[in-house]
Amino acid sequence: QKEVEQNSGPLSVPEGAIASLNCTYSDRGSQSFFWYRQYSGKSPELIMFIYSNGDKEDGRFTAQLNKASQYVSLLIRDSQPSDSATYLCAVMHGNEKLTFGTGTRLTIIP
Amino acid sequence: DAGVIQSPRHEVTEMGQEVTLRCKPISGHDYLFWYRQTMMRGLELLIYFNNNVPIDDSGMPEDRFSAKMPNASFSTLKIQPSEPRDSAVYFCASSQGNTIYFGEGSWLTVV
Repeated sequence: QKEVEQNSGPLSVPEGAIASLNCTYSDRGSQSFFWYRQYSGKSPELIMFIYSNGDKEDGRFTAQLNKASQYVSLLIRDSQPSDSATYLCAVMHGNEKLTFGTGTRLTIIP
Repeated sequence: DAGVIQSPRHEVTEMGQEVTLRCKPISGHDYLFWYRQTMMRGLELLIYFNNNVPIDDSGMPEDRFSAKMPNASFSTLKIQPSEPRDSAVYFCASSQGNTIYFGEGSWLTVV
């Protein structure tokens, strides 16, 4: 079992709709969870992170964490074509090492 | 700040040649990471340093790979000899605390 699992997609969402990206992780001791966005040919860039169970909102983005289910999600409201990218879920072990999922490719359809 | 700086951005080399990738982390960051990204395996952590000391190199695939960090502002990842299966994007990243920032990557093609 991979440490961090994501559906590779592609996930297609109409412009203006909500895009929902999901991630599961295997290490129950994981403490911090991150979502990165990567445009084609570019480096990953941090969107947001979450430590506690529940929801965390930042603009159009909401991260959701359920440690009991070992599940993290990212919701993107009012999806825009510029949101088309690969979204990487990452899990931090201790305070140092970040393990990534293989990413979900998201396409926003105008 | 200029961010994490990597060089070269692109390299094409012949099988068997030595490849050296370079990285300058963000000033003040005490962690430095080397990742490799391929379509098949995604982003894999190769090695990371804390205060210039290698902490975990369990992701280094083979003895052909080596990494050094002689000071707080410079690190290298060396592949000798290179093989076609080493073709990938190699990212250097740095952090202070738990937010990791990536460089633009070094795109390596071994033919």
